[in-house]
Amino acid sequence: DQQVKQNSPSLSVQEGRISILNCDYTNSMFDYFLWYKKYPAEGPTFLISISSIKDKNEDGRFTVFLNKSAKHLSLHIVPSQPGDSAVYFCAASHNSGNTPLVFGKGTRLSVIA
Amino acid sequence: GAVVSQHPSRVICKSGTSVKIECRSLDFQATTMFWYRQFPKQSLMLMATSNEGSKATYEQGVEKDKFLINHASLTLSTLTVTSAHPEDSSFYICSASQDMDQPQHFGDGTRLSIL
Repeated sequence: DQQVKQNSPSLSVQEGRISILNCDYTNSMFDYFLWYKKYPAEGPTFLISISSIKDKNEDGRFTVFLNKSAKHLSLHIVPSQPGDSAVYFCAASHNSGNTPLVFGKGTRLSVIA
Repeated sequence: GAVVSQHPSRVICKSGTSVKIECRSLDFQATTMFWYRQFPKQSLMLMATSNEGSKATYEQGVEKDKFLINHASLTLSTLTVTSAHPEDSSFYICSASQDMDQPQHFGDGTRLSIL
């Protein structure tokens, strides 16, 4: 039973527009959430995280929103750029740092020029 | 930033061979490292937690005698797939965190193909 779900396997967005990637989780004990970006033949690269005590965290073009009551988080990328094309993984854990991560299956984002 | 190096990136070998994968934290010490595995069209799944100076903690369904983990120093953890079989073919990837307040950083993974 998947505890972290990314229900959209792929997403296409025009360059300059907003990309919204969604993630749902089932385990209410999760209190730390992360987004990773993965290019082919490379490991996941950390993008942005959010603690459960917050509902929004912003870093440049990337913003993560957390809705604890709905057990839902989303990653907004604006404006989207062709270099953002990659697979994005949502992950959750019971704490930051040295605790195991539970991953979603990923969403492949294609930003079209 | 923190860098995790994993080697080799790809292994192709015959059934019955044992394969060792190394995971190094290059610019920080990691008392804990994690080993994940990803099968096609699936998410990254935790296999085991590697603890420096003590035994690894394995997830349910992961055979500790088949997947040997050694975390002999604060910068190196190794995963040895013993007597590998075709069903062990997968993408293996390690991660480490500098401390409790830092996210995990990942190596580039090892694509293991057993013929």
